[in-house]
Amino acid sequence: DQQVKQNSPSLSVQEGRISILNCDYTNSMFDYFLWYKKYPAEGPTFLISISSIKDKNEDGRFTVFLNKSAKHLSLHIVPSQPGDSAVYFCAALVGGADGLTFGKGTHLIIQP
Amino acid sequence: DAEITQSPRHKITETGRQVTLACHQTWNHNNMFWYRQDLGHGLRLIHYSYGVQDTNKGEVSDGYSVSRSNTEDLPLTLESAASSQTSVYFCASSDRGRDTQYFGPGTRLTVL
Repeated sequence: DQQVKQNSPSLSVQEGRISILNCDYTNSMFDYFLWYKKYPAEGPTFLISISSIKDKNEDGRFTVFLNKSAKHLSLHIVPSQPGDSAVYFCAALVGGADGLTFGKGTHLIIQP
Repeated sequence: DAEITQSPRHKITETGRQVTLACHQTWNHNNMFWYRQDLGHGLRLIHYSYGVQDTNKGEVSDGYSVSRSNTEDLPLTLESAASSQTSVYFCASSDRGRDTQYFGPGTRLTVL
C-alpha cells in the first residue's frame, strides 16, 4: 500500500508559467515533508521542506503548501524555467525515524 | 566542500556473486541510508544507520546487509546477487536531529 502518492507521472508547462506538482499521503503520522529534484544519472537534490506545524514554506521561486486535513501537499514553481525540467519526488518522514517514504515521482517538462 | 560519494558508479556482475557498494560522506553526519530506485516504485529504503555500530532494516532489506565501523562510511553488501537486484542504488546522509537527507550520485548495478 503506497503511503505517498504522486498521481501525475508527467506534467508539461510553458516556460514562464506556474508549475504545480501534487502529492497525497495516507499516513497521518508523517510530520515532515520534502521535495527532491532529480536529473538523469544524478542523485536526488533537496529542494524544499515543510514541517507539519506549518501550512506554507517559501524559498525563492519554490513554495510548498501543506493541507493536513486533506493529507495533501503541493509544490509551486513560479516562474517555470527550462532548468526546472526534471523528475520531482515528494517524500515524507515520521519524526526522523526509519528513512524517507517516497512517491513515484512526477516528470516535469518545461516547454519553451 | 563536504560531500557524499558512491563507488563504483556502474557495476555489472553475475548471479550469485557477492557485491559491495561503497558510500562515503565527509559531512560528519550521524545518519546514513541506502535506497534503491526502480521504475514504477520511486525510491525505497533498504538499510539505515544512526551511528557507529548501529544498523537497521528498511522496507526492502532481504538479500542486503550493511555495517557501520566509522562515521564516514556505510558499505552495502549483496551477499548473493540476484537479477531482481538490478537497480540504481542511492546512499544518503543526514545530521543528528535534522530530517533533510542529502544524496550521493548513485550506483547503477546490473546483475546478469
